Amino acid sequence: GDQVEQSPSALSLHEGTSSALRCNFTTTTRSVQWFRQNSRGSLINLFYLASGTKENGRLKSAFDSKELYSTLHIRDAQLEDSGTYFCAARGSALGRLHFGAGTQLIVIP
Amino acid sequence: GALVYQYPRRTICKSGTSMRMECQAVGFQATSVAWYRQSPQKTFELIALSTVNSAIKYEQNFTQEKFPISHPNLSFSSMTVLNAYLEDRGLYLCGARDPGGDTGQLYFGEGSKLTVL
Repeated sequence: GDQVEQSPSALSLHEGTSSALRCNFTTTTRSVQWFRQNSRGSLINLFYLASGTKENGRLKSAFDSKELYSTLHIRDAQLEDSGTYFCAARGSALGRLHFGAGTQLIVIP
Repeated sequence: GALVYQYPRRTICKSGTSMRMECQAVGFQATSVAWYRQSPQKTFELIALSTVNSAIKYEQNFTQEKFPISHPNLSFSSMTVLNAYLEDRGLYLCGARDPGGDTGQLYFGEGSKLTVL
């Protein structure tokens, strides 16, 4: 089965509002990465976490390795935040990532 | 900072022909490179893991004969899709690991989109 369960699959936010994405892991993972994929397909690194939380501007991510989940909070959503967000859990081998199915975010004016 | 350049960005090829894509790491030494394919349905598949001075490890359903990979130094890797057919279409992404940074973090190139006619 899937090792990474990402939700929601799609999300619409009005500009200025906030929400959170979540990934649950079915097996122990050492670290998680969050990406935003833009319309051209580029995977933009947002966060890498081995534990705890990180914050960058309006984005904040947390990773709980014991409870097997990670979250990505988007605060004060802007139009440029639109895109597909993926979490990816590190697998047993360096370089192996197990991707979630993605969250398609649309920010509405 | 760590950057990964990947090219070409997109290729349209006839069925049965081949496509080569290249991946260049800038600002760090890419000791490991992972090649992924994102299907039109957006799911990611790992094709192979390449580590300099080690054998390239291919995932099930992917072979060296179909997806030969070269990783000659710490800044460059290339992969070819040989005899491409419709099922090979998708976005191919290289992810390079910076051993000097966060262990396990991958930096991805912009992807090479393959369309097969």
